[in-house]
Amino acid sequence: AQTVTQSQPEMSVQEAETVTLSCTYDTSESNYYLFWYKQPPSRQMILVIRQEAYKQQNATENRFSVNFQKAAKSFSLKISDSQLGDTAMYFCAFTSYNAGNMLTFGGGTRLMVKP
Amino acid sequence: ETGVTQSPTHLIKTRGQQVTLRCSSQSGHNTVSWYQQALGQGPQFIFQYYREEENGRGNFPPRFSGLQFPNYSSELNVNALELDDSALYLCASSLRGVETQYFGPGTRLLVL
Repeated sequence: AQTVTQSQPEMSVQEAETVTLSCTYDTSESNYYLFWYKQPPSRQMILVIRQEAYKQQNATENRFSVNFQKAAKSFSLKISDSQLGDTAMYFCAFTSYNAGNMLTFGGGTRLMVKP
Repeated sequence: ETGVTQSPTHLIKTRGQQVTLRCSSQSGHNTVSWYQQALGQGPQFIFQYYREEENGRGNFPPRFSGLQFPNYSSELNVNALELDDSALYLCASSLRGVETQYFGPGTRLLVL
């Protein structure tokens, strides 16, 4: 079974600064997908970024980028130029074809962006 | 393009009652997954439906059941409610074979 671990329950960052959220996972599969989802107080889970394990290039989406280290089973999220609207819970998640496209989530990191 | 919608937004039930939660998938999506998110935790997978059949199930008892309709919308039914069923229930839709799931706003269930 796959597991996803987020070791930082809470983090804070000043507006316009850069912050990195950590995620590690455990799997015996070689073909899988990793995601970062954002859940603001409105509670809707919003996709931030997605990474395919077979791609060596790290995914980027505007101010959001990942550092995917497949051998180390690490998948961190970097948020550049942090904005007040980035304040939310952030969840790292894993899925694969063998997992039937079931998402396995980490416990989340609460990010507070301070003005 | 219509996103994933869920109803109701909030629900209060008493222990032992039954509840039905509803989800409409995003336009073009044929797969619906349900997740339970307890307060302060990450979502836990309940089950997934594809072509009106259950296509995978997490570690939840049989009193959690579901349906998917020909238009790909879905229901989650929970019988004999327990206090621990109090949670946010999230529905996510996707296109079979494409791994990204898109979530609805959730239904907050409180069991008293």
